[in-house]
Amino acid sequence: EDKVVQSPLSLVVHEGDTVTLNCSYEVTNFRSLLWYKQEKKAPTFLFMLTSSGIEKKSGRLSSILDKKELFSILNITATQTGDSAIYLCAVKGGTSYGKLTFGQGTILTVHP
Amino acid sequence: NAGVTQTPKFQVLKTGQSMTLQCAQDMNHNSMYWYRQDPGMGLRLIYYSASEGTTDKGEVPNGYNVSRLNKREFSLRLESAAPSQTSVYFCASSEGLFYEQYFGPGTRLTVT
Repeated sequence: EDKVVQSPLSLVVHEGDTVTLNCSYEVTNFRSLLWYKQEKKAPTFLFMLTSSGIEKKSGRLSSILDKKELFSILNITATQTGDSAIYLCAVKGGTSYGKLTFGQGTILTVHP
Repeated sequence: NAGVTQTPKFQVLKTGQSMTLQCAQDMNHNSMYWYRQDPGMGLRLIYYSASEGTTDKGEVPNGYNVSRLNKREFSLRLESAAPSQTSVYFCASSEGLFYEQYFGPGTRLTVT
């Protein structure tokens, strides 16, 4: 059975801190790993990684994938209160429908 | 360009009642999905539609049916609601099965 585990489950930091969120996975026929940010409503797409070792970056957020060790990290530098959210990691496997298996999420709280 | 829209936003049902959740996307995406999100369980796939005219079961299809009405619209029906179906339901769409998915704002359903 496909499995995605995120850590930590929750994290409280102060504005300006740097945080690292972890995602490890066991998936049949890995295709890609995706990161989403969920505030009060819909998960919002952040990154999709398919190749190992390549960093995807958008402003203060960056992510890297290690296909050998089966994990990914999401880094957020100079955190702001607006970064407070649940960060979801999801992995797409190689079944006929490209099933997306989600982790349970990391709840990030950034205090002023 | 509204992206993915869902109606209703909130719904309360009594056990045994039926209802249909509506989803539409204006991104000309081929694939559409229905997920449920429960505390501690993450997002789980109920049904998906790879392209117009096709639907398939996901991880947790029991108690649900779907209709891909056209390329834009994908509805989820609960024929006889049960308290175990109390959840937040998200619709998503993607260009194809192996592309990133974009989510709607969700429907919070309570079954009493």
